[in-house]
Amino acid sequence: SQTIHQWPATLVQPVGSPLSLECTVEGTSNPNLYWYRQAAGRGLQLLFYSVGIGQISSEVPQNLSASRPQDRQFILSSKKLLLSDSGFYLCAWSGASGLSYEQYFGPGTRLTVT
Amino acid sequence: AQSVTQPDIHITVSEGASLELRCNYSYGATPYLFWYVQSPGQGLQLLLKYFSGDTLVQGIKGFEAEFKRSQSSFNLRKPSVHWSDAAEYFCAVGDGGSQGNLIFGKGTKLSVKP
Repeated sequence: SQTIHQWPATLVQPVGSPLSLECTVEGTSNPNLYWYRQAAGRGLQLLFYSVGIGQISSEVPQNLSASRPQDRQFILSSKKLLLSDSGFYLCAWSGASGLSYEQYFGPGTRLTVT
Repeated sequence: AQSVTQPDIHITVSEGASLELRCNYSYGATPYLFWYVQSPGQGLQLLLKYFSGDTLVQGIKGFEAEFKRSQSSFNLRKPSVHWSDAAEYFCAVGDGGSQGNLIFGKGTKLSVKP
């Protein structure tokens, strides 16, 4: 069966510090991968998605970037965090074709920027 | 453009009472529709999905949803709510693109009174 991992689970970082969040998927090949941010009371915001290694699409211009160095690894980064980057970050995967739109989510990372 | 509206931000029901959470979507063709549940501090779990066929779909944890094309609705129901159902519920629709992206509603928070 497929599983998705995210780490760290929680993170407290000062403004201006760098960020690296990692997401890995097991039990499937060539998944579509997604990064979402969830701010309090604002639902889910799609940040990035990837349909293959090195292929990243950005949905929202912002202080963040994403990379996919391996088939089942998706990384969210920032060079300098802002207070507004605080939130709950969720990684998700779907089947390679993406045509079913069925996404499966990881446990999330709670980021607090101080 | 596709969109999803969940009119109720917060709903409180008594344990054992029935539940209906509303979801309205905007989409030109037959939509791919989903309901997800999120417990506090957790990722999203897929409850059920509708792609085609029978308009009444059954999901996990005793939930069901009915697709009504004439009303552009996909409401989630449960005949008898349990305290463990307290969570946030998100309705989503596939965006029609080839990358498998979902458009989420802003969520409905369910509280359960003992």
